[in-house]
Amino acid sequence: EDQVTQSPEALRLQEGESSSLNCSYTVSGLRGLFWYRQDPGKGPEFLFTLYSAGEEKEKERLKATLTKKESFLHITAPKPEDSATYLCAVQAATNAGKSTFGDGTTLTVKP
Amino acid sequence: NAGVTQTPKFQVLKTGQSMTLQCAQDMNHNSMYWYRQDPGMGLRLIYYSASEGTTDKGEVPNGYNVSRLNKREFSLRLESAAPSQTSVYFCASSEGDGHNEKLFFGSGTQLSVL
Repeated sequence: EDQVTQSPEALRLQEGESSSLNCSYTVSGLRGLFWYRQDPGKGPEFLFTLYSAGEEKEKERLKATLTKKESFLHITAPKPEDSATYLCAVQAATNAGKSTFGDGTTLTVKP
Repeated sequence: NAGVTQTPKFQVLKTGQSMTLQCAQDMNHNSMYWYRQDPGMGLRLIYYSASEGTTDKGEVPNGYNVSRLNKREFSLRLESAAPSQTSVYFCASSEGDGHNEKLFFGSGTQLSVL
């Protein structure tokens, strides 16, 4: 059974204080790992897809990295508008087309 | 540019009532999905459809039925609502058959079953 565990559950940062969110996964043959951002009362919005260990993707203050067991979402010099819940999801070769989501990390950035 | 549109946004039901959640996408996507999200938890797949005329069960299909009416529309029906089905429901779509594809989500339907 595919499993995705995100940590921490909640993270409070001061504006400009860099940190990382973790996504650990157990799947039978990873096809892709996805990061989404979800604002309160809205649906998730796609951020990144990572396909193989060693891959990195960047967008503004966010950088996602992938190893064989986990992914990190690094947030550099965050701003209050980065406050949101960040969701990690995986697709496995044995479960093609179906994404398994973690419970998310809720990030709060104080000015 | 509507993307994925869900109706209604809010609904309150009594135990045993039935209702249908509607979802439509205007991106010409092949695959569509229904997820539920409970407080503090991630999304769990209820059903998905890789193409018009096909549907497949996800992780939590019990108590739900779906209809892929055409390429644009994918509805979710609760035949006899139960309090355990109180949740936020999200419809999503992806461009192809779903393999390694990012999902585009609607804004959700908040359902309360009393």
